Amino acid sequence: DTAVSQTPKYLVTQMGNDKSIKCEQNLGHDTMYWYKQDSKKFLKIMFSYNNKELIINETVPNRFSPKSPDKAHLNLHINSLELGDSAVYFCASSPAGGGEKLFFGSGTQLSVL
Amino acid sequence: GENVEQHPSTLSVQEGDSAVIKCTYSDSASNYFPWYKQELGKGPQLIIDIRSNVGEKKDQRIAVTLNKTAKHFSLHITETQPEDSAVYFCAASDNQGGKLIFGQGTELSVKP
Repeated sequence: DTAVSQTPKYLVTQMGNDKSIKCEQNLGHDTMYWYKQDSKKFLKIMFSYNNKELIINETVPNRFSPKSPDKAHLNLHINSLELGDSAVYFCASSPAGGGEKLFFGSGTQLSVL
Repeated sequence: GENVEQHPSTLSVQEGDSAVIKCTYSDSASNYFPWYKQELGKGPQLIIDIRSNVGEKKDQRIAVTLNKTAKHFSLHITETQPEDSAVYFCAASDNQGGKLIFGQGTELSVKP
């Protein structure tokens, strides 16, 4: 019974490709997030959605486009992948906004070659 | 915007000893301070949180203290066990925009 599940767990791709990461939560939460963790383990928010509406877009390049078809899903599509996009991407959800009580998925390790 | 500094970056203790991790924040509007534990290959997991109207909170072997005047907060783990080994993150949020700002992380190693 995984609360926040994201796929794939590993993603290895060439520079210039387009890829997507999917995220689903079965907790009934209203708010979902994407966080990026770099090689030094620094966690930085990218986006947050509340009930399918974009709330936070943290100056992420427009090559990154989140999509929320319903409040249980928040997918991340990345166009024209660059070497610097290599990182671990975490999806998370919370019962309310404000960044409180986040439940994280297990992460997607993206490697751009 | 908010900036959160966390120290130390690595911490090694003997099993049974206490461990303390400290964080400072810059935005006086921040009023929510969670701590997350991240084990290898997993996502961060909330272990304890505190609001600015409370000075201390305890949950079994872990406790968090907050000094709002000095803008710093700390995580205390007593009677450490090998399974406490992980990376610990502090964070701060103003509850307004939903933006949780994380510290740089502390890699805790508990030696048996």
